[in-house]
Amino acid sequence: AQSVTQPDIHITVSEGASLELRCNYSYGATPYLFWYVQSPGQGLQLLLKYFSGDTLVQGIKGFEAEFKRSQSSFNLRKPSVHWSDAAEYFCAVAPGAGGGATNKLIFGTGTLLAVQP
Amino acid sequence: GAVVSQHPSRVICKSGTSVKIECRSLDFQATTMFWYRQFPKQSLMLMATSNEGSKATYEQGVEKDKFLINHASLTLSTLTVTSAHPEDSSFYICSAPGRLNYGYTFGSGTRLTVV
Repeated sequence: AQSVTQPDIHITVSEGASLELRCNYSYGATPYLFWYVQSPGQGLQLLLKYFSGDTLVQGIKGFEAEFKRSQSSFNLRKPSVHWSDAAEYFCAVAPGAGGGATNKLIFGTGTLLAVQP
Repeated sequence: GAVVSQHPSRVICKSGTSVKIECRSLDFQATTMFWYRQFPKQSLMLMATSNEGSKATYEQGVEKDKFLINHASLTLSTLTVTSAHPEDSSFYICSAPGRLNYGYTFGSGTRLTVV
């Protein structure tokens, strides 16, 4: 069965420090991969997505993620965190090409990011 | 482009009443809409997939009679929580596949509180 693991429930970083949020997936083929951010009480905003091609994906707000097939990972990174980045981050997967008709997203458990001044 | 409007954003209702949540795709046609539920400090759990013109597909463990889903048109999907109870209090979010390569778009969510 498809699954997504975000090992870190809660991370605290200092403003200006670098950030890496981990995401591992379990799926038979290469899925489509996503990172979303959610502010309290709000919906989800797409940060970036990977479908195919270049394994280093650039997203909005200075975020990037790297797909590593050998590690079944899709970690999210940012070189310098801003206080406004404090939020919950979700990694998600969906069946890739030929993977299924519904294309539903499966979410990880989320990582809550706190930013210290 | 690819905006999903979800209403209401917050609703408080009494136990035993029903609540309807609407999701509209504003600038594209959504033949499919996904409904998620999110408990505090937890991830999003897929409840069901609504399909325009046909019955919704529910995930295992989701009560079809409690969570009625209707996808009446290519731009509107509704979730009705029937005979709501306090344990139904949660954050409900809809999502639609966008026009380009699995670009899922999410509504802003509905905070349901049943008292």
